[in-house]
Amino acid sequence: DTAVSQTPKYLVTQMGNDKSIKCEQNLGHDTMYWYKQDSKKFLKIMFSYNNKELIINETVPNRFSPKSPDKAHLNLHINSLELGDSAVYFCASSPSRENTEAFFGQGTRLTVV
Amino acid sequence: AQSVAQPEDQVNVAEGNPLTVKCTYSVSGNPYLFWYVQYPNRGLQFLLKYITGDNLVKGSYGFEAEFNKSQTSFHLKKPSALVSDSALYFCAVRVGGSYIPTFGRGTSLIVHP
Repeated sequence: DTAVSQTPKYLVTQMGNDKSIKCEQNLGHDTMYWYKQDSKKFLKIMFSYNNKELIINETVPNRFSPKSPDKAHLNLHINSLELGDSAVYFCASSPSRENTEAFFGQGTRLTVV
Repeated sequence: AQSVAQPEDQVNVAEGNPLTVKCTYSVSGNPYLFWYVQYPNRGLQFLLKYITGDNLVKGSYGFEAEFNKSQTSFHLKKPSALVSDSALYFCAVRVGGSYIPTFGRGTSLIVHP
């Protein structure tokens, strides 16, 4: 069983489109995250939810909106996609907001053309 | 404020030799330090962490790291490198009381047969 799974694995779309990436974890963790890894492999946290509550919201454009319907799911919706949004997006989870040893999904490679 | 530096973009080592991947950090408070490994086209995998206690931390796959407060370093080490250790290694830090980790830019480890 995959611990942290995200779909789709690859996403190619045109500028201006709206897209969503889904993430699910079956580890029973309370905390989930979205990270962005750029072409130079630089990794930066975007959002974090703890028990469906937003606890981290870094300087991310408003076009990015996370949604957590329950603590096992954290989806990422992106409006009006731009070329600069092209990156690999990783979902992760950790047992709690204090215990931030994170388990990562395999990533979604988003390419905006 | 918190930051982490991985001064080497790439480390090359022969199989069977000891390896060191360097990490230094800067925080205003007690540091929580982490090492992750990323294999090609995969998400990050947790290797080890330092929160408190013994300065020498042992982790997965035979890796260990030493917390050095005076030098503000947390170098990753392994006594005998394997070709399969070749991957991208990330150091991360957060300060106690903060839930936002900061990742280094990653060090590519290449182990030659």
